[in-house]
Amino acid sequence: AQTVTQSQPEMSVQEAETVTLSCTYDTSENNYYLFWYKQPPSRQMILVIRQEAYKQQNATENRFSVNFQKAAKSFSLKISDSQLGDTAMYFCAFMNLLGDNTDKLIFGTGTRLQVFP
Amino acid sequence: GAVVSQHPSRVICKSGTSVKIECRSLDFQATTMFWYRQFPKQSLMLMATSNEGSKATYEQGVEKDKFLINHASLTLSTLTVTSAHPEDSSFYICSARWTGYYGYTFGSGTRLTVV
Repeated sequence: AQTVTQSQPEMSVQEAETVTLSCTYDTSENNYYLFWYKQPPSRQMILVIRQEAYKQQNATENRFSVNFQKAAKSFSLKISDSQLGDTAMYFCAFMNLLGDNTDKLIFGTGTRLQVFP
Repeated sequence: GAVVSQHPSRVICKSGTSVKIECRSLDFQATTMFWYRQFPKQSLMLMATSNEGSKATYEQGVEKDKFLINHASLTLSTLTVTSAHPEDSSFYICSARWTGYYGYTFGSGTRLTVV
């Protein structure tokens, strides 16, 4: 069974600084997707970034980038130029591509990020 | 695009009654929807996978007779909490995936309080 581990329950960063959130996963599959989701106090889940396992290039979305190390099964999220609005819970998630429309997301336990002014 | 609407956002019900939560995809067809439960300061726990036109698949430990899921159309899935008890109080979130899109859109969640 696949598992997703986020070893940092809480992190803090000062505004405009850079922070990295860690995520490791365990799978025997080769074809999968990885995601980072943000859940602000409103509790709406928001997709931050997505990485296809077959792509070697790390995904980037504006201030958000990932360091995807497939052999090490590591998928960290780097937030550059942190903003107060980045304060939220961040969940790493794994999806195995079964191809039968039952692919489901497996979430890590989350990291609570606080951005200070 | 890919908006999922979830209603109600908050509901308070008496113990022993049933509550229905709706999850609707507004601008796409969702062959598969997922229902999660989230306790305070915890992660999302998948309860069941809802497939249009067929029975839902429940995760281990989830009571299918208590949490009834219906996915009667490509745009609507419902979760009914039957004979609710205070321990069912929680935050429930639905999500839907596009056909052919490897990602998910989430509803805004429903906070259920059973008194």
